[in-house]
Amino acid sequence: GAGVSQTPSNKVTEKGKYVELRCDPISGHTALYWYRQSLGQGPEFLIYFQGTGAADDSGLPNDRFFAVRPEGSVSTLKIQRTERGDSAVYLCASSPTGSNTDTQYFGPGTRLTVL
Amino acid sequence: AQTVTQSQPEMSVQEAETVTLSCTYDTSESDYYLFWYKQPPSRQMILVIRQEAYKQQNATENRFSVNFQKAAKSFSLKISDSQLGDAAMYFCAYRRYYGGATNKLIFGTGTLLAVQP
Repeated sequence: GAGVSQTPSNKVTEKGKYVELRCDPISGHTALYWYRQSLGQGPEFLIYFQGTGAADDSGLPNDRFFAVRPEGSVSTLKIQRTERGDSAVYLCASSPTGSNTDTQYFGPGTRLTVL
Repeated sequence: AQTVTQSQPEMSVQEAETVTLSCTYDTSESDYYLFWYKQPPSRQMILVIRQEAYKQQNATENRFSVNFQKAAKSFSLKISDSQLGDAAMYFCAYRRYYGGATNKLIFGTGTLLAVQP
């Protein structure tokens, strides 16, 4: 596609439920990033994929959060046993190679609300 | 660890006027990248301008320019001839030059810019 797309745009769930958030990067981009943006804050890094592998998952807050990218393109962020504190906008970004000269291109995010 | 601070939660500017958004950062590294991103209500982050720390010349992109003061660890964004479409949240961000396993961005808390007609 022309840009990074994320689905759903909005997701409302109940505390304790499981959710999946999808990111479709720009075609051909090997690097993919997930960030979380809480209300009134800047985005915070969660995880970085280079191809199919998670090269850096140091930002994942706990073991309820997990992400995959099985074919090196689409990625899914999975959150188990959701808590109200997980409510935030989840942003995905991709870049061509992951090199330090790359620009990261962001999607419109998924707003997750946990009731 | 690197940190980015934006001390102006909100700013306002008249259309066609000039406004400056402030950003300071803390790092022990000598080489790095700095960015300004714009986030309109659509939530999609858009890169406005980028500065490499090893370059002394301030970056410029049309109406947007930066004042990069490396010794002071300051990186302000100047928007000239402000337009209604400039209204958005603006984030300052840092990225390590040698990212190692990652090239993650470290963001400030943002400045909400309003443009008055």
